[in-house]
Amino acid sequence: SQTIHQWPATLVQPVGSPLSLECTVEGTSNPNLYWYRQAAGRGLQLLFYSVGIGQISSEVPQNLSASRPQDRQFILSSKKLLLSDSGFYLCAWSPSGALGDTQYFGPGTRLTVL
Amino acid sequence: AQSVTQPDIHITVSEGASLELRCNYSYGATPYLFWYVQSPGQGLQLLLKYFSGDTLVQGIKGFEAEFKRSQSSFNLRKPSVHWSDAAEYFCGFNTNAGKSTFGDGTTLTVKP
Repeated sequence: SQTIHQWPATLVQPVGSPLSLECTVEGTSNPNLYWYRQAAGRGLQLLFYSVGIGQISSEVPQNLSASRPQDRQFILSSKKLLLSDSGFYLCAWSPSGALGDTQYFGPGTRLTVL
Repeated sequence: AQSVTQPDIHITVSEGASLELRCNYSYGATPYLFWYVQSPGQGLQLLLKYFSGDTLVQGIKGFEAEFKRSQSSFNLRKPSVHWSDAAEYFCGFNTNAGKSTFGDGTTLTVKP
């Protein structure tokens, strides 16, 4: 069966520090991968999605970047964190980009920028 | 513009009472609709989804939802709420290219 992992689970970082969040998927190949951010009391905002290794699409301009160095690995990064980067970051995968696909979410990373 | 509206930010119901969470969408074609549930500090779990066919869909945990094209709605229902249903619920739809649009969520509180 497929599983999705995210780490770390929680992170407290000072403003201006770098960031690296990792997401890995097991039990499938060539998945679509997604990074979402959920601010407090808000819905999900799609940040990045990837249909393959090295293929990244950005949905909103921001302080963050994403990379997909391996088929089942998706990394969210920042060179200098801002206070506004605080939130709950969710990684998700789907079997393909088909309209009927279900997205499967990881457990999330709670990021607090102080 | 593509969007999902969940009009109720917060709903409180008594345990054992019925529940309906509202969802309206705006999309230029028939959407692929879904409902997810999120427990505090957790990821999202799919409750149910609709793409075509019977407009009343059954999901996990006793939930169901009805697609009404004329009203652009996909409301979630449960006949009898349990305390463990307290969570945040997200409605949304898939667009082409595998991207999804979510509503802002409805927080459900269950009173004993």
